[in-house]
Amino acid sequence: EVQLVESGGGLVQPGGSLRLSCAASKFTFSTYSMSWVRQAPGKGLEWVSFIGTSGSPIYYADSVRGRFTVSRDNVKNSLYLQMNSLRDGDTALYYCARGYLSNSFDYWGQGTLVTVSS
Amino acid sequence: EIVLTQSPGTLSLSPGERATVSCRTSQSVSDNYLAWYQQKPGQAPRLLIYGVSSRATGIPDRFSGSGSGTDFTLTISRLEPEDFAVYYCQQYDSTLWTFGQGTKVEI
Repeated sequence: EVQLVESGGGLVQPGGSLRLSCAASKFTFSTYSMSWVRQAPGKGLEWVSFIGTSGSPIYYADSVRGRFTVSRDNVKNSLYLQMNSLRDGDTALYYCARGYLSNSFDYWGQGTLVTVSS
Repeated sequence: EIVLTQSPGTLSLSPGERATVSCRTSQSVSDNYLAWYQQKPGQAPRLLIYGVSSRATGIPDRFSGSGSGTDFTLTISRLEPEDFAVYYCQQYDSTLWTFGQGTKVEI
């Protein structure tokens, strides 16, 4: 069964940085696009970023463009999200999700919680 | 940016009943890039439907998707106890993915 395991979340002050990781296993990671999707406490889903199979193309939501950077390491089967200049509104559970047909997401990790607070 | 509006916000039904969730988009969805997800408390979303009407692997046939243009529907033909959850629609257009606000199906 496909596995996606996020890590790296935690409590950070406004203006701070965090780097999230997503470890993928039990599928050929290098052949799938990946995305980050977040969910603020008690709220809906918000797509954050996309990365293609070889590291391009890369897309971002307007809310994070210029502050977040997505990357991947196909040797380590890992996806990353570098988050800088964090704001209160970035507080959320961050999921990594595998790209699937018709630009849907077929597998999701369990998420890692990012809390931005002073 | 295409905005997705789901209705109703909450659907109160009983097991065995039919559930119909609507997703209206602010612009026409291209290439059938419309999906539906189920999310239960404390769990990650699960893909139900992709490409408007194709069921994902392992999804029971009581779940079906339909629609075109700007109006889409998720139908659960006969609710099972495990179907009570929040449902989200999602679309893709021009390097941007967006989700609806969610519909809670409750007992």
